[in-house]
Amino acid sequence: AQSVTQLDSQVPVFEEAPVELRCNYSSSVSVYLFWYVQYPNQGLQLLLKYLSGSTLVKGINGFEAEFNKSQTSFHLRKPSVHISDTAEYFCAVRGYSSASKIIFGSGTRLSIRP
Amino acid sequence: DVKVTQSSRYLVKRTGEKVFLECVQDMDHENMFWYRQDPGLGLRLIYFSYDVKMKEKGDIPEGYSVSREKKERFSLILESASTNQTSMYLCASSSSVGNSPLHFGNGTRLTVT
Repeated sequence: AQSVTQLDSQVPVFEEAPVELRCNYSSSVSVYLFWYVQYPNQGLQLLLKYLSGSTLVKGINGFEAEFNKSQTSFHLRKPSVHISDTAEYFCAVRGYSSASKIIFGSGTRLSIRP
Repeated sequence: DVKVTQSSRYLVKRTGEKVFLECVQDMDHENMFWYRQDPGLGLRLIYFSYDVKMKEKGDIPEGYSVSREKKERFSLILESASTNQTSMYLCASSSSVGNSPLHFGNGTRLTVT
């Protein structure tokens, strides 16, 4: 079984400041890791994913995430945020099996102050 | 671009009514999923299907059923709606390749009064 923990339910930051959204996971098997973003009144869309290889993954809108196997973490970062990054962010894991479920964290609401 | 379409953005139903939430995807994906989203709880999996006429219970299947008669369509059914089923419902699809991401619809906000 897998689980995902997003420790911060809300993260307020000033515009153009850096941000890190934390994600930790537990799993007895190898997993794929994802970050999704949900803008107000919309469904979720994929921000980035880690499958294998380089532990630093770059996604859309200037976001990146680093996979740390020893700490079972997959934190999301952006060096300078914009007002348009205001959204809820979800970390997710999925086992290698094609019929495996995708498990989501509880989400982190990022609010940007001008 | 993958398109996942949920038939209604907003629904208001009365307690005890039978409710159908419809979802259609246009990318020939094998896997389809129904989640409910509640504040502070993230997304919780209700049911998923990895093939036509196949279904698997997720983490919170009680009070729900599903139907997948065609590959592109996955329906969520509330047999007798209750107020604790007021929520945002999200449908998603993906290919059967394990590292494939989910593609989501825009959601249906259901209110049961």
